[in-house]
Amino acid sequence: EVQLVESGGGLVQPGGSLRLSCAASGFTFSTYWMSWVRQAPGKGLEWVANINEDGSQRYYVDSLKGRFTISRDNAKRSLYLQMNSLRAEDTAVYFCGRVRGDYDVRDYWGQGILVTVSS
Amino acid sequence: EIVLTQSPATLSLSPGERATLSCRASQSVRSKLAWYQQKPGQAPRLLIYDASNTASGIPARFSGSGSGTDFTLTISSLEPEDFAVFYCQHSRFFGPGTNVNIK
Repeated sequence: EVQLVESGGGLVQPGGSLRLSCAASGFTFSTYWMSWVRQAPGKGLEWVANINEDGSQRYYVDSLKGRFTISRDNAKRSLYLQMNSLRAEDTAVYFCGRVRGDYDVRDYWGQGILVTVSS
Repeated sequence: EIVLTQSPATLSLSPGERATLSCRASQSVRSKLAWYQQKPGQAPRLLIYDASNTASGIPARFSGSGSGTDFTLTISSLEPEDFAVFYCQHSRFFGPGTNVNIK
């Protein structure tokens, strides 16, 4: 059974940093692109970042302007999102997702982890 | 950039009724469109991929159609557990969602 479990969320002050993790199981992690998608309270889904199978290709939503970094450790079957210079508008539930196909279908999602940026 | 527009924003229906949701792309995406269902407090769940292929474990009452710029998600007969928000997606872009609620 495919499972994705996020961790590392919580309350952080504006300007602070946080590192999200996503532990994968039930599939060959190293053969899939992976993705982070976020959802602000009461809002829709917003793509954040993608990473390819070996971590050599990374793509981000333009609005992040270099504040976030996606990475992975295939030996640990884990996906990460390093978030720096956090702002109130980064407050959201962050989902990791397994990606397949050439147009980023997310066929499996984690349960999501809440990040709250507030003083 | 591709803009996905969904209509209606809200759909109020009763169990047993047919639901028809629309997604329109600002340019052709061929058949490269997916649909997701999201219930409150839960992660999205993949329903349909490649516009008309039903994902594993999804009931047969869910179906998708369309190609190019116009797509439709149909729920043939709504079950109580179907009421949720539905999103269409292509690549990095998501539509704003259609909220299907109980009338």
